[in-house]
Amino acid sequence: GAVVSQHPSWVICKSGTSVKIECRSLDFQATTMFWYRQFPKQSLMLMATSNEGSKATYEQGVEKDKFLINHASLTLSTLTVTSAHPEDSSFYICSARDGSRRSRDGYTFGSGTRLTVV
Amino acid sequence: KQEVTQIPAALSVPEGENLVLNCSFTDSAIYNLQWFRQDPGKGLTSLLLIQSSQREQTSGRLNASLDKSSGRSTLYIAASQPGDSATYLCAVVQTGANNLFFGTGTRLTVIP
Repeated sequence: GAVVSQHPSWVICKSGTSVKIECRSLDFQATTMFWYRQFPKQSLMLMATSNEGSKATYEQGVEKDKFLINHASLTLSTLTVTSAHPEDSSFYICSARDGSRRSRDGYTFGSGTRLTVV
Repeated sequence: KQEVTQIPAALSVPEGENLVLNCSFTDSAIYNLQWFRQDPGKGLTSLLLIQSSQREQTSGRLNASLDKSSGRSTLYIAASQPGDSATYLCAVVQTGANNLFFGTGTRLTVIP
């Protein structure tokens, strides 16, 4: 089945620095990937839709300049948290869908990245 | 806007018991519905996918049903095991859209 790899699985950074999270589709091409944020004991909140070769679409309330998304290839999307602050500490998860199997399979998720800003 | 709700928020059952998790959604114009499992601090594992034209899907001890007209789905787990302990999330894809709308999740604990 479709596999999505997310890296790193956890990261601790100092306040004011930037952190990049990678999301790769390993065995399929993903023209669209999605970035979610999850607070403790809460459900997933869609942050943005990443489109290969074009600008990401951000959900209302999500700062574009804070969360930079780049989807430069059909297998890689990156989320960069710029000038991170403690309130950015969260669990970030990406997902993608194999467009060639769109009816048969649903969405595949990465293993998530735990970001802690100190 | 689509809203997805899951009841109960938490459930604790003894090992071996059969159980049902509920998911409801406000807009019935969905493309499909997907059930996921999430272990603490981990990503999501897809359990079952039901297309809007389907009524149910089965995988092992899991059975998911879909009643699109009433905006409901259930996940039935037979003969529960401690390893089933996790948070279960349902999510829908709206017709004509790409992204998932997630429910609030049910945290299941199966007691040995």
